[in-house]
Amino acid sequence: AQKITQTQPGMFVQEKEAVTLDCTYDTSDPSYGLFWYKQPSSGEMIFLIYQGSYDQQNATEGRYSLNFQKARKSANLVISASQLGDSAMYFCASGGYQKVTFGTGTKLQVIP
Amino acid sequence: GAGVSQSPSNKVTEKGKDVELRCDPISGHTALYWYRQRLGQGLEFLIYFQGNSAPDKSGLPSDRFSAERTGESVSTLTIQRTQQEDSAVYLCASSLVGGTATGELFFGEGSRLTVL
Repeated sequence: AQKITQTQPGMFVQEKEAVTLDCTYDTSDPSYGLFWYKQPSSGEMIFLIYQGSYDQQNATEGRYSLNFQKARKSANLVISASQLGDSAMYFCASGGYQKVTFGTGTKLQVIP
Repeated sequence: GAGVSQSPSNKVTEKGKDVELRCDPISGHTALYWYRQRLGQGLEFLIYFQGNSAPDKSGLPSDRFSAERTGESVSTLTIQRTQQEDSAVYLCASSLVGGTATGELFFGEGSRLTVL
C-alpha cells in the first residue's frame, strides 16, 4: 500500500524567493519512484521531477530540486527563484510495483 | 498525435445514464492509469493496466465502474447508472513501463463529466 501526505494546503512565496513544498510517503514496496507534478488552473498535469528510491543523489531539473530523505520518507520539492508562472497546484506522487498514488496537493501562490 | 488522447473532453449526462470515457495512450506505452479528480481535489487512483491486464483495480469506487483495455492500446472507462457524485474530471495517463521502473506519467487533458 502507498500513501502520500502533503500537509500544506496552501503556500505563499514572494517572487524570486525559494520555496519548499513538503511531501512524506509511506510504501511497502522495496523499490519505488517519487514524482512531482504541477497543475495550473488550465488543468493540465505537467511533470516536474522524478527520484528513484535507489538514486544516491537528489534529483534536480532546472529550478526544481527534490530533497530526498529516505530514512524520513520525505521527498520535498524545492523551487528556487520563484516566478509568477509557478502559481499552481503541486502534487507529490509515489509509484511502486504497480499503481502511482498522488497526494492531495499544495496550492502555491507567488506574490509579485 | 504524439500525446495521450481522451474523449470526450466534456460530457453532460442525466443521472442514471451510462457513460463511456475513452483513452488512447502514447504508442508503445505498456502502462495505463485512470484517475478521478473532483473539483478542487487531488487525484484519486481508479485502476492501472499493464498491457491489457489490470493488476490493480482497488480504486474503482463501486461495481458501477468498470474499465477495459485492448492490448496495449485504447482503454475505456465505463460508468453505469451515473450519480451526481460521479461528476469530476477523469484523467488518463500512460507510461513506457509500469512498476518500479516507472518513469514519467504522460497525462491526457481529461474528460470532464457532469451528471445532472
